[in-house]
Amino acid sequence: EPEVTQTPSHQVTQMGQEVILRCVPISNHLYFYWYRQILGQKVEFLVSFYNNEISEKSEIFDDQFSVERPDGSNFTLKIRSTKLEDSAMYFCASKRTSGGTDTQYFGPGTRLTVL
Amino acid sequence: AQSVTQLDSQVPVFEEAPVELRCNYSSSVSVYLFWYVQYPNQGLQLLLKYLSGSTLVKGINGFEAEFNKSQTSFHLRKPSVHISDTAEYFCAVSAISGSARQLTFGSGTQLTVLP
Repeated sequence: EPEVTQTPSHQVTQMGQEVILRCVPISNHLYFYWYRQILGQKVEFLVSFYNNEISEKSEIFDDQFSVERPDGSNFTLKIRSTKLEDSAMYFCASKRTSGGTDTQYFGPGTRLTVL
Repeated sequence: AQSVTQLDSQVPVFEEAPVELRCNYSSSVSVYLFWYVQYPNQGLQLLLKYLSGSTLVKGINGFEAEFNKSQTSFHLRKPSVHISDTAEYFCAVSAISGSARQLTFGSGTQLTVLP
């Protein structure tokens, strides 16, 4: 069964450093998402991406964040200058269509630790 | 805007006992409702979803949920749990209309099945 993959599974970085989290969505999916979960808190929506552009973003997704689909398979989340409060589990998800009835498939997550 | 409340952060239950995980939501627009499960070191996996029609929805692994519009609830139930059901369970909603239809999650309920 096709699945969403994410690398790395765990990333440790120093405050102020740039990080890139990588995701490979399911191959025939067109809609891509990033969510994050700070330890002990809710899973929160960050951004959605379709047709090579951001379709929606939350207030969390400020200028420090960017997303890119550099080729036909990868979908990346970049944090330019990490802060302590960026420490969280980051989930990538993909969906085949825009329909609300369609299922979002999630990857296993990348745990980001900012020191 | 939508919000989801999962009333119990931890639910311990003995094997073969029934379980109910509670979820309430609020929304200014019509929504679809979902339950996702996260096993250790894995991504979020869809258990079931309510789109329309019968308010009782059956999902994978013997789980079911009932949509109650008047109480804005979508509680998850299983008549007899197994050790393998130990996981974190997330209730989520998404707007029926809109572009990307991102998910809004509750804070999760850790179900621990005891031998």
